[in-house]
Amino acid sequence: DTAVSQTPKYLVTQMGNDKSIKCEQNLGHDTMYWYKQDSKKFLKIMFSYNNKELIINETVPNRFSPKSPDKAHLNLHINSLELGDSAVYFCASSVRANEQFFGPGTRLTVL
Amino acid sequence: GESVGLHLPTLSVQEGDNSIINCAYSNSASDYFIWYKQESGKGPQFIIDIRSNMDKRQGQRVTVLLNKTVKHLSLQIAATQPGDSAVYFCAENWGDMRFGAGTRLTVKP
Repeated sequence: DTAVSQTPKYLVTQMGNDKSIKCEQNLGHDTMYWYKQDSKKFLKIMFSYNNKELIINETVPNRFSPKSPDKAHLNLHINSLELGDSAVYFCASSVRANEQFFGPGTRLTVL
Repeated sequence: GESVGLHLPTLSVQEGDNSIINCAYSNSASDYFIWYKQESGKGPQFIIDIRSNMDKRQGQRVTVLLNKTVKHLSLQIAATQPGDSAVYFCAENWGDMRFGAGTRLTVKP
């Protein structure tokens, strides 16, 4: 069974479009995260949700918005996509701030 | 072989040698540290962790050393194997988890 899953794995889209990436975890964790990994492999935390409350919001453009319909899901919506949004996006989950379990990643390419 | 974090983001070792990957963390108040391994095309995977009340922790073929005086963390991999080739990240926690820049380990057969 997949612990943390993301869809889609690859996403290619035009500049200006709006897209969503879905994340689900079946570990019963109370905290979920979104990370952006650039071409140099640097991992930057974007958001985390604990019990449906946003507890971290880094300096991320407001074009990015996390949505958590329930404790097991944290989706990432991106409006008006820009070239610089091209990256690999990882979802992760944990019990509070302990070891995080990562999904397989979504490679977003903006043309 | 040994890396020194940001100044040597790539470490190349011979199969069977020991590897040492270094990390300088930023916050002296960090109380929990994790090493992650990221293979090509996959998400980071937990390797080993250590709390700030410890100096050393051993796992299977891996050892993490923590030096709080100089805010330094290292990951030692014994008898490095081709399957160890990956990017390794250290992460520190002081309320939330912050990742270092990563070091790419390449194992030559």
